[in-house]
Amino acid sequence: AQSVAQPEDQVNVAEGNPLTVKCTYSVSGNPYLFWYVQYPNRGLQFLLKYITGDNLVKGSYGFEAEFNKSQTSFHLKKPSALVSDSALYFCAVRDRSLILTGGGNKLTFGTGTQLKVEL
Amino acid sequence: EAQVTQNPRYLITVTGKKLTVTCSQNMNHEYMSWYRQDPGLGLRQIYYSMNVEVTDKGDVPEGYKVSRKEKRNFPLILESPSPNQTSLYFCASRGTGTEKLFFGSGTQLSVL
Repeated sequence: AQSVAQPEDQVNVAEGNPLTVKCTYSVSGNPYLFWYVQYPNRGLQFLLKYITGDNLVKGSYGFEAEFNKSQTSFHLKKPSALVSDSALYFCAVRDRSLILTGGGNKLTFGTGTQLKVEL
Repeated sequence: EAQVTQNPRYLITVTGKKLTVTCSQNMNHEYMSWYRQDPGLGLRQIYYSMNVEVTDKGDVPEGYKVSRKEKRNFPLILESPSPNQTSLYFCASRGTGTEKLFFGSGTQLSVL
């Protein structure tokens, strides 16, 4: 079974400082990995994805994430946080080795990390 | 404008009264899915559909039904709602060959 862990319920960071939101995953094969962001009273919005290739993935709003296969991690990062980045962030995984058997269409989300950026 | 539309936005009902939450997308997407969001549990997949007349269970399908008679619509049906189905529900869609999910604005359901 596939799973995602986001070990921090909340991350606090000062504006202008770098931020990291952690994510680790478990799949039987190779993963597709994603980050989504949810602003209050809104649906989720896509930030970035890792499919294959370069381990450092760049996404929307200056966010990036690094895929680390040996540590089964996909941490979200941003060099300089903004107050407007405050939101709920979700990591998600899909097991691409199951696609041919039909099971690879299941997308599993983590429990979410609340990011709070303060002045 | 490309979007996923869910209705209603808020719904309060009583135990056992059948209800349907509608979901429609205007992007000609093949894949559609329903999730519920609960505090501390994140998003959990209820059902998904790869195309018309093709549906499959997600992680928490009990107590829910879906249908996919048309490509653009994917309604979520609760035949006999119970209080443990009180939750925030999201519909999402994506096109074949893409990995970017588009989400609706959500439906807050309360079952009394």
